[in-house]
Amino acid sequence: QVRLQQWGAGLLKPSEALSLTCAVYGESLSGYYWSWIRQTPGKGLEWIGKINHGESSDYNPSLKSRLMMSVDMSKNQFSLKLISVTTADTAVYYCARGPYRGLRGFDIWGQGTVVIVSS
Amino acid sequence: DIVLTQSPGTLSLSPGERATLSCRASESVSSSDLAWYQQRPGQAPRLLIYGASNRATGIPDRFSGSGSGTDFTLTISRLEPEDFAVYSCQQFVYSPCTFGGGTRVEIK
Repeated sequence: QVRLQQWGAGLLKPSEALSLTCAVYGESLSGYYWSWIRQTPGKGLEWIGKINHGESSDYNPSLKSRLMMSVDMSKNQFSLKLISVTTADTAVYYCARGPYRGLRGFDIWGQGTVVIVSS
Repeated sequence: DIVLTQSPGTLSLSPGERATLSCRASESVSSSDLAWYQQRPGQAPRLLIYGASNRATGIPDRFSGSGSGTDFTLTISRLEPEDFAVYSCQQFVYSPCTFGGGTRVEIK
């Protein structure tokens, strides 16, 4: 059974960098895109970006200038780094599997990480 | 970006009733590029439907999806207590993929 477990700092000050990691269990990173999505009460669900095992990535243009995603094949993990955070980046952040060939959707999700940006 | 508008915002129904949720896109969406999710309080979203009408693994057959072009529908044939939640649609026509604002299905 495929499972995603995510972690990272939950409380940040403005201008700091947000770093999250998602470990994949029960499946190799190969053959899929792996995505990050965030959710706020005001804006709802927002796709942040995706990356595959070859580090081919695609980012939401609204975040692209501050965003970097990476993979660590040896640990079967992928990560997100968002720099220069503001209060607008306060959200629940999720990692997820997808989209991939045959399924344009996110079919496996991490448990979510609450990130609060406050001075 | 493609904007997805869901209606109604809230649907008040009783267990056993039929729920019909709408998702309208600002431009045409290929059926292969439309998905639906369920989200219960405090939980991550759960994929229900992909490709507009294909149930994801383990999803009961009381959930069905239909539609094409700019108008898509999620139907829950008979509401079970665990179905009272928020439902969101999503499109993958081109990047960035976007989500609708959600429909809350609440107990009447």
